[in-house]
Amino acid sequence: ILNVEQSPQSLHVQEGDSTNFTCSFPSSNFYALHWYRWETAKSPEALFVMTLNGDEKKKGRISATLNTKEGYSYLYIKGSQPEDSATYLCAFCESRDKIIFGKGTRLHILP
Amino acid sequence: SQTIHQWPATLVQPVGSPLSLECTVEGTSNPNLYWYRQAAGRGLQLLFYSVGIGQISSEVPQNLSASRPQDRQFILSSKKLLLSDSGFYLCAWVPAPNYGYTFGSGTRLTVV
Repeated sequence: ILNVEQSPQSLHVQEGDSTNFTCSFPSSNFYALHWYRWETAKSPEALFVMTLNGDEKKKGRISATLNTKEGYSYLYIKGSQPEDSATYLCAFCESRDKIIFGKGTRLHILP
Repeated sequence: SQTIHQWPATLVQPVGSPLSLECTVEGTSNPNLYWYRQAAGRGLQLLFYSVGIGQISSEVPQNLSASRPQDRQFILSSKKLLLSDSGFYLCAWVPAPNYGYTFGSGTRLTVV
């Protein structure tokens, strides 16, 4: 059974502070790693799709890194804002159709 | 434009009743389509995926079934719902290679 672990499960961050969280996944049979943001009452929205070891992706204040050899990815948020409050999901892809989601990190930004 | 529609948004059904959730995609042809569920306290779990009309792959044994009667239509069904079928159901597709999923708006199913 493939395991995709995200930590921490929940995080409270002061507005303006930077933060990061982790996704760990099997280091074999890697195809891709996805990150999603899931806001309350909405659907998950794709942030990044990462396919190569050493990949770094950036979208505004959010960035992600990937280490496929050791099986982890970090998501960073710089200068947290209230609209960053959401659950952040990672998904490990063994193939295009074989995808395992983590349980997510629930991020709360405190004003 | 490419869009994905899912309905209904919420559903409360008694145990033993049937279920039908529908998902349609517009603006594309021959998409791979997926049904996911998030049960309470758990991560998103892949239930079914389909690469074409009449082609369904099931990822976990369960009380549910899926059908792909048309190219852009994906249906999730059950003949008799169980309490454990409660959860948030999401339909999804991948617009292009190396894109993440695009999800439908989801259906919150409560079995009572």
